[in-house]
Amino acid sequence: AQKVTQAQTEISVVEKEDVTLDCVYETRDTTYYLFWYKQPPSGELVFLIRRNSFDEQNEISGRYSWNFQKSTSSFNFTITASQVVDSAVYFCALPNQAGTALIFGKGTTLSVSS
Amino acid sequence: DGGITQSPKYLFRKEGQNVTLSCEQNLNHDAMYWYRQDPGQGLRLIYYSQIVNDFQKGDIAEGYSVSREKKESFPLTVTSAQKNPTAFYLCASSWGTGANQPQHFGDGTRLSIL
Repeated sequence: AQKVTQAQTEISVVEKEDVTLDCVYETRDTTYYLFWYKQPPSGELVFLIRRNSFDEQNEISGRYSWNFQKSTSSFNFTITASQVVDSAVYFCALPNQAGTALIFGKGTTLSVSS
Repeated sequence: DGGITQSPKYLFRKEGQNVTLSCEQNLNHDAMYWYRQDPGQGLRLIYYSQIVNDFQKGDIAEGYSVSREKKESFPLTVTSAQKNPTAFYLCASSWGTGANQPQHFGDGTRLSIL
């Protein structure tokens, strides 16, 4: 069955520190997509990235980077030089077995203090 | 601007009452979804619809009902059969009919029991 595990419930860092959010997944599919979303205090989820299982290259977007390792079923998210505005709940997700909806991890709450 | 509009932002339900949460999108997306979020939990799928006049139960559909009479609209009714309705409800939409496309989310409705 499809499953997403985000073992870190809460992380607190000081501004400018680097932080990595872990995501481990289980899937029976041979090809699949993985997603990261950000939920700021306002509540709406913001799409950050979609990664195809074919592509194991790391992705970098500004201060954000993602490390996808198929061998360990992990899709970790790193924020470099964190800022207070990065404070949010971050969710990792992958499609359910039927491919009709997303399964979300329980999320990691990141608090960045100044 | 295109997006998803959920209303109301806050909703209070009396015992034995049905309430309806509104979700409208002007993104011309085919698929729409309803999720429930409880504190410290990930998002759990209530219902989804891939096409007008068709919808499917998600993981926690009991006590909820939906309709999809128009492409733009996917209202969720929380019935009196839902014994623990207090939660944050998020509506989402996406291109196509599968979960491999990024989902766009509304701002959510927070439902509480009076």
